[in-house]
Amino acid sequence: NAGVTQTPKFRILKIGQSMTLQCTQDMNHNYMYWYRQDPGMGLKLIYYSVGAGITDKGEVPNGYNVSRSTTEDFPLRLELAAPSQTSVYFCASSYERGRGEQYFGPGTRLTVT
Amino acid sequence: QQQVKQSPQSLIVQKGGISIINCAYENTAFDYFPWYQQFPGKGPALLIAIRPDVSEKKEGRFTISFNKSAKQFSLHIMDSQPGDSATYFCAASTLLSNTGKLIFGQGTTLQVKP
Repeated sequence: NAGVTQTPKFRILKIGQSMTLQCTQDMNHNYMYWYRQDPGMGLKLIYYSVGAGITDKGEVPNGYNVSRSTTEDFPLRLELAAPSQTSVYFCASSYERGRGEQYFGPGTRLTVT
Repeated sequence: QQQVKQSPQSLIVQKGGISIINCAYENTAFDYFPWYQQFPGKGPALLIAIRPDVSEKKEGRFTISFNKSAKQFSLHIMDSQPGDSATYFCAASTLLSNTGKLIFGQGTTLQVKP
């Protein structure tokens, strides 16, 4: 069991470029989440999904997009990257409601210059 | 009402001492309160969690104290060790919501000095 995997680990983007952060889980979890972590700000939810084909916005969705075509994969798309999107991004997954624990990937450190 | 406020932002403790991190919430619908531990360069991992039907939960050197009337909960790390140096996040959730979303506190960076 690899758990939650994320690629790439690091990336530097120029302003205006686009990229996709990949997230895959092999635990057959229905629920998946994307967070960003900024110093002193905790973890802010960007988007989440409760199953394949179902996604919804979190606290800070602007500038991002997601899709969920399979149970395993939940990619996060950044369009027209801005310096404010410099952050560490974490993907997480969990069982269906009632189980609580979220399992996190190792993160992607993104710098936009 | 969806916020979880965590303090202190950083904490330095001597080896063998007690580390205490506090969190407060407003939403009385929250019924699940986990603590996550994050080491540098890693993703957060669940450390310990509590439901509001108990006032305390202990796992080894880690204890959650929960005060429902005050809407506060805290993490106590007894006999703190240098290996406990990490960032700790409290969180809150409504377990039977249809989203499973966690609301995280701002995080506390703990340094345990040898």
